[in-house]
Amino acid sequence: DAGVTQSPTHLIKTRGQHVTLRCSPISGHKSVSWYQQVLGQGPQFIFQYYEKEERGRGNFPDRFSARQFPNYSSELNVNALLLGDSALYLCASRRGLAGTYEQYFGPGTRLTVT
Amino acid sequence: LAKTTQPISMDSYEGQEVNITCSHNNIATNDYITWYQQFPSQGPRFIIQGYKTKVTNEVASLFIPADRKSSTLSLPRVSLSDTAVYYCLVGPRWFNAGNMLTFGGGTRLMVKP
Repeated sequence: DAGVTQSPTHLIKTRGQHVTLRCSPISGHKSVSWYQQVLGQGPQFIFQYYEKEERGRGNFPDRFSARQFPNYSSELNVNALLLGDSALYLCASRRGLAGTYEQYFGPGTRLTVT
Repeated sequence: LAKTTQPISMDSYEGQEVNITCSHNNIATNDYITWYQQFPSQGPRFIIQGYKTKVTNEVASLFIPADRKSSTLSLPRVSLSDTAVYYCLVGPRWFNAGNMLTFGGGTRLMVKP
């Protein structure tokens, strides 16, 4: 079975630009969460989506937004990019809204803002 | 979610047993202890979860003393491929809406030949 997939793998953007990152969850998984991981730190929660609705949001500015599609794939959008947005963006999926700590992470998208 | 404290880094050699301890003095009665492993440029991978005493799977063992204020992840006979960052997380076993995993800084394990 395919795991969580993310695209693109790497991305270089300029300050002030906008970026869209994509995630496809494991087949049968309806919940997608997004995390930001700055170099040398642990992942930080950004959003959770379940059944196309936002179900949780971390401490991130409104420049960050996301959505989930009927096929449960998801997009993370970041507007007005800052140098500090440079990070590995991880997507994680799980079968339901509630559950154990066991989530399945994708390989991430490495975003570099110059 | 209970705060956790782990060593920043550890070194080991191939074939040795590695024990990584995590302190969680404020663990709640309903909290479980979960460990994730993360290789460079990859997403974290669930390793093991436990509530008390000992849990073992094909990858690792998790030892939790009676007071549950700490836990130890044990990796038997490590190889070079076990070089990774290991995260200890503490929180309720079941998540509702918000489904937020809180990762600390983790322990960077370096396995040497």
